[in-house]
Amino acid sequence: ILNVEQSPQSLHVQEGDSTNFTCSFPSSNFYALHWYRWETAKSPEALFVMTLNGDEKKKGRISATLNTKEGYSYLYIKGSQPEDSATYLCAFAQNAGNMLTFGGGTRLMVKP
Amino acid sequence: GAVVSQHPSWVICKSGTSVKIECRSLDFQATTMFWYRQFPKQSLMLMATSNEGSKATYEQGVEKDKFLINHASLTLSTLTVTSAHPEDSSFYICSAPRTGSTDTQYFGPGTRLTVL
Repeated sequence: ILNVEQSPQSLHVQEGDSTNFTCSFPSSNFYALHWYRWETAKSPEALFVMTLNGDEKKKGRISATLNTKEGYSYLYIKGSQPEDSATYLCAFAQNAGNMLTFGGGTRLMVKP
Repeated sequence: GAVVSQHPSWVICKSGTSVKIECRSLDFQATTMFWYRQFPKQSLMLMATSNEGSKATYEQGVEKDKFLINHASLTLSTLTVTSAHPEDSSFYICSAPRTGSTDTQYFGPGTRLTVL
C-alpha cells in the first residue's frame, strides 16, 4: 500500500495571505505527481502534473515544486482569494499506467 | 478542457436494490476509465480500472460481483452497485485520462450514494 500524505488537513487564512501545503509520497519508482483543486459540488480540476525532480510549475498565483529524491511536493498560493477556497489533492503515480494514489487532501478556507 | 459527466449526482435507495452510475467522457474518447470511492474524511480510493471492450481490473478487496463495471464504448463506463447495503453508502467518482494526453486525468463530479 502506497502512503501519500498531505498536511495540514485544513487551513484557514485571510484574504491576501500567501500559503503553502505539503504532499509526501514514496521516493521509489516515481513516475508523476499530480495536483488537483476540488471545489464543493464540482469535478476535481487538474492543476499540475509534475514528472522531473526539481520541477517547478506555475499557474497564475499557484505554483508547485517537486523533490522526487526525498519524496515531497509543495503547493504555494500567493495572495489567497476567497475563490481559492477548495480542497487541494495530490496524487502519486508509480508507473505509466495512470493509476493514482491520492493523499487525504488539504482543505483551504480563505476568509474575505 | 476535457469534460467528464457522471449521472446521477445523488441517489438514495433501499437496501437490496441495485444502482447504476454512468460516467461519460463528453468531448474525448477514453479507452480507460477509473472508479474511485471516498468514505467520509478519507482519501479517494481506487476501486477498479475500466477498460473499453474488455474486463475491468479490480483493486484488492473490491468485490467484482458486487461492483459490476461495463465499458461498452469509448465514451461510457458504468458502475452498478448490486444488492446495495448501507455499508455501500459512499461517494463514487470516475476519471478518464484523455488518450494521447500527458497523463492528466479528468474527473466527473461524483455520485453520492445513500443506502437506507
